[in-house]
Amino acid sequence: DAGITQSPRYKITETGRQVTLMCHQTWSHSYMFWYRQDLGHGLRLIYYSAAADITDKGEVPDGYVVSRSKTENFPLTLESATRSQTSVYFCASRSGGRNEQYFGPGTRLTVT
Amino acid sequence: AQSVSQHNHHVILSEAASLELGCNYSYGGTVNLFWYVQYPGQHLQLLLKYFSGDPLVKGIKGFEAEFIKSKFSFNLRKPSVQWSDTAEYFCAVILGGSQGNLIFGKGTKLSVKP
Repeated sequence: DAGITQSPRYKITETGRQVTLMCHQTWSHSYMFWYRQDLGHGLRLIYYSAAADITDKGEVPDGYVVSRSKTENFPLTLESATRSQTSVYFCASRSGGRNEQYFGPGTRLTVT
Repeated sequence: AQSVSQHNHHVILSEAASLELGCNYSYGGTVNLFWYVQYPGQHLQLLLKYFSGDPLVKGIKGFEAEFIKSKFSFNLRKPSVQWSDTAEYFCAVILGGSQGNLIFGKGTKLSVKP
């Protein structure tokens, strides 16, 4: 199906492990985003990308790494997971300009 | 730093009651404004957006919002809520001159009692 997908939808990992969350969109949108959603904080931007091979930090980038070798994919890696990274992660994309963002279904990550 | 404030953390209404959720932003320049809704267990969906023109915008499912520039506000309204409107509502803003990143409020949870 066309749209924006995330995988896995649910993940449990241990402290210190590396984990990668995947995001794929079929619209060829130039911009892609990663947010984390935590109770009482709303959504906070982790990283975003304006195009392939162009990424930039958002509000809460520490402990995360991103890459964008292809326009349609924007993986988010937690290099050494910590309990504070337990959250729901949303990927989003939009076309150029300041248009609306479209959100993926989210990944619920638990770090034990 | 620029921010978005949503005044109510949790609102409980009975069906058919009217709804108004407050949203204020702190930025003196041009903004684009959005309301997103997140139904339980689902991803965020756009309810409505304001870029320019008529400050009263209508969205999906009978929702509307009014941009009042002098008050830096973009309140969401619905004349008569339904049980199916139970969800979390997020106000968000894109600042003029920015890369187009959304700044979100912390959300308002709406519970509608049948």
